[in-house]
Amino acid sequence: AQKVTQAQTEISVVEKEDVTLDCVYETRDTTYYLFWYKQPPSGELVFLIRRNSFDEQNEISGRYSWNFQKSTSSFNFTITASQVVDSAVYFCALSEAQSLGSQGNLIFGKGTKLSVKP
Amino acid sequence: EAQVTQNPRYLITVTGKKLTVTCSQNMNHEYMSWYRQDPGLGLRQIYYSMNVEVTDKGDVPEGYKVSRKEKRNFPLILESPSPNQTSLYFCATSGTTSYEQYFGPGTRLTVT
Repeated sequence: AQKVTQAQTEISVVEKEDVTLDCVYETRDTTYYLFWYKQPPSGELVFLIRRNSFDEQNEISGRYSWNFQKSTSSFNFTITASQVVDSAVYFCALSEAQSLGSQGNLIFGKGTKLSVKP
Repeated sequence: EAQVTQNPRYLITVTGKKLTVTCSQNMNHEYMSWYRQDPGLGLRQIYYSMNVEVTDKGDVPEGYKVSRKEKRNFPLILESPSPNQTSLYFCATSGTTSYEQYFGPGTRLTVT
C-alpha cells in the first residue's frame, strides 16, 4: 500500500536558519512520482517540485533543495536561510503511474507546519 | 493565464440540501480530480476523471457524485449533504505528459 509519512508535525525556526522537512514514503511500484506542495496561510496549494523514481539527482532551486534517496525511501526538503514568507504547511505527496499517459491518485502526507519567526 | 477556478469559494448550507461545487480549467488538461482536506486527516482524493465521460472513485467517494461532460469542467455534486462533509475541497488538474497536479483555490463548505 502507498503511504507518505511526514513525522514532523510542526517546526519553528528563527529567520535565516536552515530547516529540513522530512518525508518518507512507501510504495510497491517501481515507477512513481514524488511531489512537494506548499500551503500558505491563505489556503491555496502551490506545486513546488516533482521527482521521478528513476531520477535520483538532487535538485536546488534558489533557497530550496530536495534530497531524494531511494535506498531510504526519503524525499527531504531543505530551505536555506529561511524567511518569514516561508511560513506555511508543506506537504509531501506520492503518485504511482497507473499506465502510460495517466496519473494516479496523489497520496499526501499529513503535512509539516513551518513557522519562521523574525 | 493558466487557471483552475472553483465556485463558490465559501458555502454554508443545511443538511440534505443538494449542492454543486464547480471546477473549471483553461489548460486543456485531460486529468481532473477532487480532494477534501480535513484537520488531522490531510488531503484525500474523492473522485477523478481521466478524460471526458471517464470518471472513477478515489479514496473517499461516499456521498459525492461527479460528471465530466466537457473537458474543462468537473463539478462535484453533493446530493444530500451531511455535517461530516464539512471540509475544504480542492479541485486539481494535470496534463497527460506531466504528473504534477495544479490545484484550484479551494471551497470551504460547512454543512449544519
